[in-house]
Amino acid sequence: LAKTTQPISMDSYEGQEVNITCSHNNIATNDYITWYQQFPSQGPRFIIQGYKTKVTNEVASLFIPADRKSSTLSLPRVSLSDTAVYYCLGGPRDDKIIFGKGTRLHILP
Amino acid sequence: GAVVSQHPSWVICKSGTSVKIECRSLDFQATTMFWYRQFPKQSLMLMATSNEGSKATYEQGVEKDKFLINHASLTLSTLTVTSAHPEDSSFYICSARGTGGVNPLYEQYFGPGTRLTVT
Repeated sequence: LAKTTQPISMDSYEGQEVNITCSHNNIATNDYITWYQQFPSQGPRFIIQGYKTKVTNEVASLFIPADRKSSTLSLPRVSLSDTAVYYCLGGPRDDKIIFGKGTRLHILP
Repeated sequence: GAVVSQHPSWVICKSGTSVKIECRSLDFQATTMFWYRQFPKQSLMLMATSNEGSKATYEQGVEKDKFLINHASLTLSTLTVTSAHPEDSSFYICSARGTGGVNPLYEQYFGPGTRLTVT
C-alpha cells in the first residue's frame, strides 16, 4: 500500500482554484491514484481517479507527473459547498481501501 | 451510478443493548462489503471485510464478538454492535464492491453512514 502524505488543512476563497497535492513515493506500478471527498456526517464520495498524466471530469482535474510519486487534485472555481475533507489514496492494501488523514479544505466567502 | 444505502441513518441506544445497522447495495450485486468507523475529526478506520456467504475478516484490534457482521446475500450486509457502550458511539460507514468494471478493486461505493449514540 502506498503511504500518502497530504496537507492536514487548507483555506481558500470562493471563486479560486484550489490545488491539493498528495505525495505517494512508494506507489506500486499497477496502482491507481484515487481521490474521495467527504462532507460532515456523510460517506465518502468518489471524485476522480487516474494512473498518469492528466484526468479531467466535471468536478475536478487530477495531475500526475511521470514518476507518479505525487498527484495534484485541482478544483476549479471553488464555492462554499466545496468545504469538505479530501482523501488521496494510492492503491488498495490487500484488496482493501485504507484511508489516510485527508486534507480538510475550508472555503471562505 | 451505483447506490449504497444504510439503515438507520442515526440511532440512539442505551448502554448494554445491541443495535443492528444494515447496508444495502441497491442496484448492483456486491460480493464484498466493508465496514468503517469514524470518530469526530478523524479519518475512516476499516473495521472488517465481509464476503457474501462467508465469515467476515476483522482488522487488528477490532473485537469480532462485539461487532457481528453478516453478509447473507449479495445486496445486504449487517453490522450488529453488541452490548454497546458510550465509547462505541461513532459514525459507521459501509461500502460495497461490485463484481464488474474495468478496475474492480476501485469499484467501491460508500453508504451515507449511520450515526450511533450510546447513552
